[in-house]
Amino acid sequence: DQQVKQNSPSLSVQEGRISILNCDYTNSMFDYFLWYKKYPAEGPTFLISISSIKDKNEDGRFTVFLNKSAKHLSLHIVPSQPGDSAVYFCAASAGISGTYKYIFGTGTRLKVLA
Amino acid sequence: SAVISQKPSRDICQRGTSLTIQCQVDSQVTMMFWYRQQPGQSLTLIATANQGSEATYESGFVIDKFPISRPNLTFSTLTVSNMSPEDSSIYLCSAGTPDTEAFFGQGTRLTVV
Repeated sequence: DQQVKQNSPSLSVQEGRISILNCDYTNSMFDYFLWYKKYPAEGPTFLISISSIKDKNEDGRFTVFLNKSAKHLSLHIVPSQPGDSAVYFCAASAGISGTYKYIFGTGTRLKVLA
Repeated sequence: SAVISQKPSRDICQRGTSLTIQCQVDSQVTMMFWYRQQPGQSLTLIATANQGSEATYESGFVIDKFPISRPNLTFSTLTVSNMSPEDSSIYLCSAGTPDTEAFFGQGTRLTVV
């Protein structure tokens, strides 16, 4: 049972344009959502997060939108840069069954074309 | 933020042997986790490492195969026991506190031959 899903395994965007990465979740107990970027041979790097009490959080070129009714979040990167090319994972967290845990989506490989 | 040091960064092991991966965090954190990332797959949570008590394992993972220790707030180990080629994966240590971001080590790339 995949509780956090990223339905697009890959995305290609021209440099300077907007990249939009999407994520859906099924468990309504999730109350904190995060995006990570991962380069090969490195651990995931935290990008941006959002609490369930908000619907938008912005940090520089990165904006995360949360639609709780649709159980959907998205990451917007604008303008996209070649250095943004990486695998992006969304994650959701909550206290579940007495423990706090982070559950990750399947990842989207973003390629920004120069 | 927390800096997480994980070692070894990679290893090639014979089937049937065991490997212990170490994870050190530079600050006291409430939670430590172990994940596995198989080729082309997502990060799958193996277990939550609990200080001074048995780890909490996710469905499909058992203590006999993946014993975990956490003797204090900043250190944890994961052992991959009686390895088979199917255990070839990247193993990642993570640490964090509730309602904040979790930080990751650089991962251990394990190849079982």
